[in-house]
Amino acid sequence: SAVISQKPSRDICQRGTSLTIQCQVDSQVTMMFWYRQQPGQSLTLIATANQGSEATYESGFVIDKFPISRPNLTFSTLTVSNMSPEDSSIYLCSVDQPGGYTFGSGTRLTVV
Amino acid sequence: ELKVEQNPLFLSMQEGKNYTIYCNYSTTSDRLYWYRQDPGKSLESLFVLLSNGAVKQEGRLMASLDTKARLSTLHITAAVHDLSATYFCAVDSNYQLIWGAGTKLIIKP
Repeated sequence: SAVISQKPSRDICQRGTSLTIQCQVDSQVTMMFWYRQQPGQSLTLIATANQGSEATYESGFVIDKFPISRPNLTFSTLTVSNMSPEDSSIYLCSVDQPGGYTFGSGTRLTVV
Repeated sequence: ELKVEQNPLFLSMQEGKNYTIYCNYSTTSDRLYWYRQDPGKSLESLFVLLSNGAVKQEGRLMASLDTKARLSTLHITAAVHDLSATYFCAVDSNYQLIWGAGTKLIIKP
């Protein structure tokens, strides 16, 4: 199955700033998924990113707050913009594989 | 709207005991997944269940799927401390995963 390298693994950021999270996949994939996992909670899908088109955002998530890039079939970024403490979460990227969805190692974000 | 209900949400058990985690979902789906998450870590895929009656086993864990009842179970046999983690089920709906709330499993030595 695909291996996903996700960076950074963690960060502590000041409110009002932005953080860009990167995911690199070792094989070409059509769709990449970005999730948020708030402390002690399940996963919530933020958006689906296809190469060559704009990301599709789920209800409650907007492009201005969570801009996504997908420049090629192996790479994607998620930016968390104008951060507030409520954005403190784990952010995960994921790809669909024959054996199931594979996840990056996650980015633990703390906003202070 | 597809909903996935997982229970129990929290389970504390002794080593050597057996227990089952249940995952109910509200509409038809082609695929059901079980994942494990250790504290502060990402998700590890345990099982992918594709058809009615599917049963998969890995070590002390066994997962099954009943698509007619819209129910999947994750059975733990003779639990050991290393199985302590949070377990999630997720249902695939048009390439979107709908997640259960997770079961936090604590196994006491």
